[in-house]
Amino acid sequence: DVKVTQSSRYLVKRTGEKVFLECVQDMDHENMFWYRQDPGLGLRLIYFSYDVKMKEKGDIPEGYSVSREKKERFSLILESASTNQTSMYLCASMEAGGPQETQYFGPGTRLLVL
Amino acid sequence: GEDVEQSLFLSVREGDSSVINCTYTDSSSTYLYWYKQEPGAGLQLLTYIFSNMDMKQDQRLTVLLNKKDKHLSLRIADTQTGDSAIYFCAESIQGYSTLTFGKGTMLLVSP
Repeated sequence: DVKVTQSSRYLVKRTGEKVFLECVQDMDHENMFWYRQDPGLGLRLIYFSYDVKMKEKGDIPEGYSVSREKKERFSLILESASTNQTSMYLCASMEAGGPQETQYFGPGTRLLVL
Repeated sequence: GEDVEQSLFLSVREGDSSVINCTYTDSSSTYLYWYKQEPGAGLQLLTYIFSNMDMKQDQRLTVLLNKKDKHLSLRIADTQTGDSAIYFCAESIQGYSTLTFGKGTMLLVSP
């Protein structure tokens, strides 16, 4: 079974802090994704990566950056957290060119920025 | 651009069938998916259908795809209280790694 883990389930930070959200997958997947989920807005793609050190902007990259130094790990960075970044953050991974291109999700990190 | 639409809420009684509907706009979709999200959890893949199929059945789940109308549905037979969750429809397009998700349908099953 594919396993995608996220470093924290719940996180509380203050405005202006630098925040790191970590995601690790154990299936040697090339592609990894960061989404945020907000009520009434569904899932919105922040960034994704299709290989080590490669990244692509999603639909809402502003205020975020990412790091992919190792294949299994994809980090989301909030350089200076703001209250409008309070949200549920979901990480996913996917095998490149897999037969059904399925994304596997982690349990999510619920971030509160005060 | 692509867009995926779902109704936001569905309420059914335990034992009834549930039908969750989804429409999409991109005719070059390759796969269409249904994900389930239980409270406080991540998304779990329920089932998927390749775009050249009309129907797929998996135990209590039946997926119907109408390519002409770009309409996808998920039918859950004999709905149980444990089926209460948010259900997301998503589409992928061949050659692109990203999925486009709908906003999710909250299914509430009452005893």
